[in-house]
Amino acid sequence: GENVEQHPSTLSVQEGDSAVIKCTYSDSASNYFPWYKQELGKRPQLIIDIRSNVGEKKDQRIAVTLNKTAKHFSLHITETQPEDSAVYFCAAPNQAGTALIFGKGTTLSVSS
Amino acid sequence: ETGVTQTPRHLVMGMTNKKSLKCEQHLGHNAMYWYKQSAKKPLELMFVYNFKEQTENNSVPSRFSPECPNSSHLFLHLHTLQPEDSALYLCASRKGDINSGNTIYFGEGSWLTVV
Repeated sequence: GENVEQHPSTLSVQEGDSAVIKCTYSDSASNYFPWYKQELGKRPQLIIDIRSNVGEKKDQRIAVTLNKTAKHFSLHITETQPEDSAVYFCAAPNQAGTALIFGKGTTLSVSS
Repeated sequence: ETGVTQTPRHLVMGMTNKKSLKCEQHLGHNAMYWYKQSAKKPLELMFVYNFKEQTENNSVPSRFSPECPNSSHLFLHLHTLQPEDSALYLCASRKGDINSGNTIYFGEGSWLTVV
């Protein structure tokens, strides 16, 4: 079945710095890779996603890159702000394509 | 508000109790899920339902029993749970094929404490 590995598990940056979170997946048939942000006590929410027909997607300070050959994708956050502090999860479809399998999460702390 | 509503938001139950978690989605989605979130396994898939038929049971112990009477409602019946089952239980839903870019949307979750 699909296996999603996420690194690092924790990441501390200064406000204004960039943050990068990386994920690898195992199923070469996967074509969709979302990123979720979960603030303390709240539900995970989709922040950006990418399909395998593109290599990069950007939305303001957030971007996602995908290398399908190497089976890895990354989340890039530029000009980080304290409100970016949260747990971030990457995901990929399971083998049946019926559900998302999540990485173990990255706790991002942005200090001002 | 995501259109996925879970009740109760908090539940404390004894190991011999029987309780149920309820999820309702108002999005017209055709697939619904239960995920378990704990410190050990942050977002662990439990059950998948497509058009109210169970398509995946991710080796979940039988003390967790899902029920999906229709595409909008999903229940998780709990019986003789263990303290290690204490966690946040997240319901989610989706419409269409995931690999076509249709993501899943989570409810706010039900915090379960087993004493």
